[in-house]
Amino acid sequence: QQQVKQSPQSLIVQKGGISIINCAYENTAFDYFPWYQQFPGKGPALLIAIRPDVSEKKEGRFTISFNKSAKQFSLHIMDSQPGDSATYFCAASAAGNKLTFGGGTRVLVKP
Amino acid sequence: NAGVMQNPRHLVRRRGQEARLRCSPMKGHSHVYWYRQLPEEGLKFMVYLQKENIIDESGMPKERFSAEFPKEGPSILRIQQVVRGDSAAYFCASSLSAAGGLYGYTFGSGTRLTVV
Repeated sequence: QQQVKQSPQSLIVQKGGISIINCAYENTAFDYFPWYQQFPGKGPALLIAIRPDVSEKKEGRFTISFNKSAKQFSLHIMDSQPGDSATYFCAASAAGNKLTFGGGTRVLVKP
Repeated sequence: NAGVMQNPRHLVRRRGQEARLRCSPMKGHSHVYWYRQLPEEGLKFMVYLQKENIIDESGMPKERFSAEFPKEGPSILRIQQVVRGDSAAYFCASSLSAAGGLYGYTFGSGTRLTVV
């Protein structure tokens, strides 16, 4: 019940294209859904986060879509750039507690 | 503000030795979390500590692993009698408040442990 399932495992997109990463969860107590970006040799960095009382949140080229009834949320990276090449993790937590991470998606943006 | 500092960045230990991983949280942060990342996998929660207290250790293996966050000094994750399966990246994160997961932790760059 604590799992967060993330797909795809890897993604190749052309520069300027849209990257879409999906996550699904089971625990209905989760109330906070962040996305983290991780570059090789670095720790994860918070990218954008959403609470279940909204269905979409946009920050620059990054958008989270949230479907509470389906228990799914996704990250869209618009106008993908080579500098966006990284591993992206979705996560979830309940009442501000420990984060449960998805398995990660390795994104490669080709110039 | 130096961020969350972890050392060493890389640590090689022979099977049966002890590994000590250190984490200095961001200035003013009194909540520390440890996560483990196996190759090609996501991060798995291990333990959550406040100064001198273990708040949640539900992700810690029952044996060989321990963590502390003393009143003075860094948080320490200690692995006794390491085995090859302990090889992983260990990340520390810190937060200002108890709801660290809610407002976003700040992660360190991790310690890569290799057991040979």
